Amino acid sequence: GAVVSQHPSRVICKSGTSVKIECRSLDFQATTMFWYRQFPKKSLMLMATSNEGSKATYEQGVEKDKFLINHASLTLSTLTVTSAHPEDSSFYICSAWGLEAGEQYFGPGTRLTVT
Amino acid sequence: AQKITQTQPGMFVQEKEAVTLDCTYDTSDPSYGLFWYKQPSSGEMIFLIYQGSYDQQNATEGRYSLNFQKARKSANLVISASQLGDSAMYFCAMTQGGKLIFGQGTELSVKP
Repeated sequence: GAVVSQHPSRVICKSGTSVKIECRSLDFQATTMFWYRQFPKKSLMLMATSNEGSKATYEQGVEKDKFLINHASLTLSTLTVTSAHPEDSSFYICSAWGLEAGEQYFGPGTRLTVT
Repeated sequence: AQKITQTQPGMFVQEKEAVTLDCTYDTSDPSYGLFWYKQPSSGEMIFLIYQGSYDQQNATEGRYSLNFQKARKSANLVISASQLGDSAMYFCAMTQGGKLIFGQGTELSVKP
């Protein structure tokens, strides 16, 4: 199957700082990438959908100015959590889709802790 | 709106026995896809099995099978011959306009 990577796998940052999470499709071109947020023992909640070269579409209730998503190339999307607060601490997972992949492939996730 | 429901927050099964994880869905679209994913404590989402709404036969992948009851709108996952490594969270998901929506998840614990 296709491979999607995320970096970093874990990050701890101080309240008020920004942190960037990268999602890369390693062996296929991802025309669409999705960003999810997951709290412990809870479901994955879709935050936004990004298509390469265009603005991300955010789900209802997700602050687009807080969670900046960029999908500048067919293999890379980034999620930047701006002015992070402890309540932003969560597990963030990306997935990628492209025609050659045929289905969504998930990254391994990034665990963000804001102190 | 489409909805997907998993009513079992936690399940226990004895090693080597079979277990069924429930999933029901609601959609007005005639064309949809249903997925099951496994999420171990490491957090990665592992694809297990897929069923298309027009598929005539129930999907099977090794020890995993999907009991697709279209009229009842259910898509239960059956794991046969449970192994200790099957202990994990299991999520049912459905496609909605290219997006995946997930159920609440079921935590499966396999007892030795």
